[in-house]
Amino acid sequence: GAGVSQSPSNKVTEKGKDVELRCDPISGHTALYWYRQSLGQGLEFLIYFQGNSAPDKSGLPSDRFSAERTGGSVSTLTIQRTQQEDSAVYLCASSLGGGPRGGASSYEQYFGPGTRLTVT
Amino acid sequence: SQQGEEDPQALSIQEGENATMNCSYKTSINNLQWYRQNSGRGLVHLILIRSNEREKHSGRLRVTLDTSKKSSSLLITASRAADTASYFCATGWNEKLTFGTGTRLTIIP
Repeated sequence: GAGVSQSPSNKVTEKGKDVELRCDPISGHTALYWYRQSLGQGLEFLIYFQGNSAPDKSGLPSDRFSAERTGGSVSTLTIQRTQQEDSAVYLCASSLGGGPRGGASSYEQYFGPGTRLTVT
Repeated sequence: SQQGEEDPQALSIQEGENATMNCSYKTSINNLQWYRQNSGRGLVHLILIRSNEREKHSGRLRVTLDTSKKSSSLLITASRAADTASYFCATGWNEKLTFGTGTRLTIIP
């Protein structure tokens, strides 16, 4: 079946421009996560959605970052007025989410291939 | 801040040998998961161990969890060149997974 997809796969933008990154989760997955990974580093949590709601936005680095999810499916991560330090791979993951097994973290996450963002 | 820390940061072994990676964490967890990442892109889930479990196996993978020491280990037996990748532990608490910094494993043919 179809996995998690992300677009674009690569994005080069000039400092100060806005960018939108898209994530299409696996159908039926209620939980959706955004992470950021800088070169050679671990994953930095950005935001988590359960359905269309974002109960945890604690990882967003600044107010230039925002995300939304519509129809319990597609999510868009928007970075306004990009800075060079925003350059990273942005990863999206989805999972079955909360349920009898406990919170959403009790389920394995399925990752997309990521979007490599380069701010020049 | 990162919850888990993997040890070692990098590991190189000969093909056929066993590889052991460790993960330490600091706070309460519901479960601990291990993921593999090739070529710096998407991660692949390997195994999940719940906080009330001590050991779990999946193929050539063996994971242990010691909640009293807040540590876990991942053992890959009979390593293959295709096992070359970065390996991350992730600790789960309620709705959130927190990833460690990873171990870079290189299998030498």
